[in-house]
This record gives sequence, C-alpha cells and structure tokens, in this order.
Amino acid sequence: NAGVTQTPKFRILKIGQSMTLQCTQDMNHNYMYWYRQDPGMGLKLIYYSVGAGITDKGEVPNGYNVSRSTTEDFPLRLELAAPSQTSVYFCASSYTGGNQPQHFGDGTRLSIL
Amino acid sequence: GEDVEQSLFLSVREGDSSVINCTYTDSSSTYLYWYKQEPGAGLQLLTYIFSNMDMKQDQRLTVLLNKKDKHLSLRIADTQTGDSAIYFCAERNQGGKLIFGQGTELSVKP
Repeated sequence: NAGVTQTPKFRILKIGQSMTLQCTQDMNHNYMYWYRQDPGMGLKLIYYSVGAGITDKGEVPNGYNVSRSTTEDFPLRLELAAPSQTSVYFCASSYTGGNQPQHFGDGTRLSIL
Repeated sequence: GEDVEQSLFLSVREGDSSVINCTYTDSSSTYLYWYKQEPGAGLQLLTYIFSNMDMKQDQRLTVLLNKKDKHLSLRIADTQTGDSAIYFCAERNQGGKLIFGQGTELSVKP
C-alpha cells in the first residue's frame, strides 16, 4: 500500500515556466489537499477537493490551479512560476472530513530562480 | 482570524520528558492534532483529541487540552533520539480545514 505519492521530489524552475506537481493516492480517499510549507512556517492550504470533479480554494490559491478528474489523482499546476512560489509542497488525503486523519506524501521541493 | 502558535525550538536530554506547547484562537475548533515531521518526509499523524476531552494518553504520548485558555500540549515521556523531529499542532475549524502552527523543532541530545 503506497499511500500518498508525490512526484517529482525536487525541481528547479525558471521564472515564468510552468509545471504540474503530481499527487496520487491508493487508499480510495474522497478528500485531497495541497499545502505549501515555507521555512519556519506551518502548512498553508492551497486547494482541496472533496471528491472527483469538485475542487475549492484554500487559504493561498493565487498562482495555482488544480483538477480532480479521478478519485486517485489531484495534480497541482503552476502556470507562471514566480520566486514567491519557492516552497515545499505537500499533498494529503483523508477518507472524509471530520476527525479522519490526513495522510501526507513526502513532499515536492520546488525552487524558482 | 484563526491562528495557531508554537515555540520554534525545544532541546532535551535523552530519557527526559519533553513538553511541546501550542495555543490557538478559534474557540469553535472541533479536533486538535499533533503531527510529526522527520527530515525530508511528510507529516505523520501522532495523535488527536476531540475538543470535549481534556486529556488523552497513548503509550509515551500525553495530550492535555485546556479549552478555557485555548492551550494544547504534547508530552513525550522517556524521550529518545528517534523522537528528534518537527512537531506541528493543528486545529480543525468549523469549516473542516486544518490550521497549522509553525512547528516546534525538538532536538534530543544523548
């Protein structure tokens, strides 16, 4: 059971480039989340999804887009990379909301130069 | 607004108890969580407590919740070097979102 898998683990982008961070889970979880973690800060929610075809903005959605065409996959897209998007990105999933714990991937470390 | 605060660093000796503290502002929080993050890894759920409880014990971990003061603590008994990590406090607000603290880096010295 792989859990939550994120790819790539590391990436360096130039300003203005675009890329997609991949996230997939094999636990049949309905809820999926994208967070960013900046140094010395907690995690900030970018986008989340409560099921296939449904997405909603979190606390810091600007500069990002998501889609949820299947239960398993929740990719995060950066269209025009900016230095402020240098961060560690975590994907998480949970069976439902409520007290169900969120399971995290190992993160994608992204640098924009 | 919603805010969760933690001290950034804690250093203890192996075998001592560690106490990591957290304060939060949202009095309507339903669940409060402790996550552990080891270097290069994602967050791992350690334990959680429902807001109508004041204590939960799970092996070496004890969670205390003072709802009046909006204060949450995590005590790790007999701290080991393998406990060295960053510990995040998080609250689940009424909208179902998790609000994280900045994380406390625990350093365990032999």
